[in-house]
Amino acid sequence: GQQVMQIPQYQHVQEGEDFTTYCNSSTTLSNIQWYKQRPGGHPVFLIQLVKSGEVKKQKRLTFQFGEAKKNSSLHITATQTTDVGTYFCAGLGNAGKSTFGDGTTLTVKP
Amino acid sequence: DSGVTQTPKHLITATGQRVTLRCSPRSGDLSVYWYQQSLDQGLQFLIQYYNGEERAKGNILERFSAQQFPDLHSELNLSSLELGDSALYFCASSSSGSLPHEQYFGPGTRLTVT
Repeated sequence: GQQVMQIPQYQHVQEGEDFTTYCNSSTTLSNIQWYKQRPGGHPVFLIQLVKSGEVKKQKRLTFQFGEAKKNSSLHITATQTTDVGTYFCAGLGNAGKSTFGDGTTLTVKP
Repeated sequence: DSGVTQTPKHLITATGQRVTLRCSPRSGDLSVYWYQQSLDQGLQFLIQYYNGEERAKGNILERFSAQQFPDLHSELNLSSLELGDSALYFCASSSSGSLPHEQYFGPGTRLTVT
């Protein structure tokens, strides 16, 4: 079945440093979504990418969808303490089912 | 506030018991999804309902079952509970059953099996 791998599992950064998490699917995806879960909270939708090679930006966050639609990345520029949490990607396969990655947990040291 | 409600917030029960978790989707959303999140784990998709009918099935155990009622609220039933079933159970809703729409998550129900 479809597998979605996320790396790294954990990332510790100093405030102001950049952060990137990568998402890789075993199969071609129809789309990919990114969610953020704050400690003790629930996942919150960030963005959806649909087109091959698509790049979207939200302030300091940059999302990319690979040309082959099998991988994606989320890059945060100049992290802040408010960025802490776990970032999940969710890939929608051709069977119409979304598979979540295991997430990357970001901690930011002030 | 996502607009998705889940009850109860916390549930403590013993092995072998049965519990029911309840979810009310956002107003107007027809799809309901259930997920299990164990400690420091990712989100495991369990099952999806769309307008009362089962739409997709994930890694849901036979001891677990769910349904969506005519008023669109959903219940997840967990029976013959085991220690390993202790987890956070999230419900999410979306406006569509087949299109890639964003999902809105509820606050979750934390289940502890002792």
